[in-house]
Amino acid sequence: DQQVKQNSPSLSVQEGRISILNCDYTNSMFDYFLWYKKYPAEGPTFLISISSIKDKNEDGRFTVFLNKSAKHLSLHIVPSQPGDSAVYFCAASPYSGAGSYQLTFGKGTKLSVIP
Amino acid sequence: SQTIHQWPATLVQPVGSPLSLECTVEGTSNPNLYWYRQAAGRGLQLLFYSVGIGQISSEVPQNLSASRPQDRQFILSSKKLLLSDSGFYLCASSQEWGLAGHSGANVLTFGAGSRLTVL
Repeated sequence: DQQVKQNSPSLSVQEGRISILNCDYTNSMFDYFLWYKKYPAEGPTFLISISSIKDKNEDGRFTVFLNKSAKHLSLHIVPSQPGDSAVYFCAASPYSGAGSYQLTFGKGTKLSVIP
Repeated sequence: SQTIHQWPATLVQPVGSPLSLECTVEGTSNPNLYWYRQAAGRGLQLLFYSVGIGQISSEVPQNLSASRPQDRQFILSSKKLLLSDSGFYLCASSQEWGLAGHSGANVLTFGAGSRLTVL
């Protein structure tokens, strides 16, 4: 049962254009959403996150949009650069206080930015 | 900031052999520790997590086990490897409160990973 879904396994975008990576989730208990970027043979690195009380969070070229009613979020990269070529994972977590935290990851979308 | 050391980076093992992957964390104390696996064509699957020494929670029934003998050490083991154990194993760490700026999200810091091939 895939609670976090990234339905596009791959995406190709021209350098300078916008990259839009999509993510859907099914668990209504999820309150925090994160995007990770992963290069081959390396661990994922945190990119940007958003809380369910917001619908947009921006950090430089990266913006994450959250549509809670549709259980959908997207990552926009503008402008796309060749160095952005990587696998992007969407992840989600329910609200929790003290104690352990768990992230549920999607299968990832491989972004290729063409020079 | 946290730094995660994970080894070995690459491992080729025959079916039925034992496994030990080690992970140590620097720059933090009392972290939550995790083992994830990325199998071919699949996402990141949580295998184990630990909130303290000797405290291990397993997310999926499997051929693997985990141990946390020290606060910042996490070990993934198997007594007899299966072909299906092949994959990319990632150790991760988070602070107890898992805050990431204003969002409060649980930001995991990952190690560089260990590529396991079982033949």
